[in-house]
Amino acid sequence: EIVLTQSPATLSLSPGETATLSCRASQSVGTYLAWYQQKPGQAPRLLIYDASNRATGIPARFSGSGSGTDFTLTINSLEPEDFAVYYCQQRSDWLTFGGGTKVEI
Amino acid sequence: EVQLVESGGDLVQPGGSLRLSCAASGFTFYEYPMHWVRQAPGKGLEWVSGICTGGGCAGYADSVKGRFTISRDDARKSLYLQMNSLTVEDTALYYCGKELSRHGHSPLDYWGQGILVTVSS
Repeated sequence: EIVLTQSPATLSLSPGETATLSCRASQSVGTYLAWYQQKPGQAPRLLIYDASNRATGIPARFSGSGSGTDFTLTINSLEPEDFAVYYCQQRSDWLTFGGGTKVEI
Repeated sequence: EVQLVESGGDLVQPGGSLRLSCAASGFTFYEYPMHWVRQAPGKGLEWVSGICTGGGCAGYADSVKGRFTISRDDARKSLYLQMNSLTVEDTALYYCGKELSRHGHSPLDYWGQGILVTVSS
C-alpha cells in the first residue's frame, strides 16, 4: 500500500499570502497525483490531477508540481474562500489519500 | 449535468450489514471506473473500494477487505457497496466518486453528497 504523508498538518496564513503544501509518497507514483480541496459540510473538489494539471474551472492561482515521490501544491495570493482542508491522492495503485493540510487564517 | 446520489445509510449494530447504493446520471456510467470513499467524523478521507469498467476488477482498502464487496449494475447506472461484519470504526460519511478518465489511473472528478453510516449498539 502506498502511503502519502502531507505536511504541514496546519498552515496559518493571511489573505494575499502564498501557501505551499507538501505531499510525499512512500514509493514512486509517477505523476498519478491529485489534489483536492474540502470545505466543511461539502464533498471534496478536484483541483489538480496528474501532478500539475488544473481541473476544469480551477483558478490559475492553484498550481501543482512534482513527480515520483515528492509533490507540491502552491496557492498564490490566497483568497478568503481558499481557507479549507487540502488532500493529496495517488492513483498509481488503486487510491490512497494523504492525511490532509488545513489552511487557516 | 453529472449527478451521483448515495442512499442506504442507516444506524446499524456492530456485526450487522448494510448495502449502500449510488445512482448515477449525466454521463455514460459503464465507461468509467467508480469508487467509494469514506470520512469518519472529524477525520480525513479514506478510500474504501474501487471497481473497473465492466466490473472486471475491484480493489479494497485493507481495513475493509473480506467484509465489504463493491459491485456495479451498468444497466441501472448504479454502484453498490455491500458491507458486512460492521464495526464502530466503519462509522463514517460514505461518498461515491467517478473517475475523471475512462482509462483508469485518474482522480475523482465528481462526488456524491455522501451518506451517513453509523455503527453503534
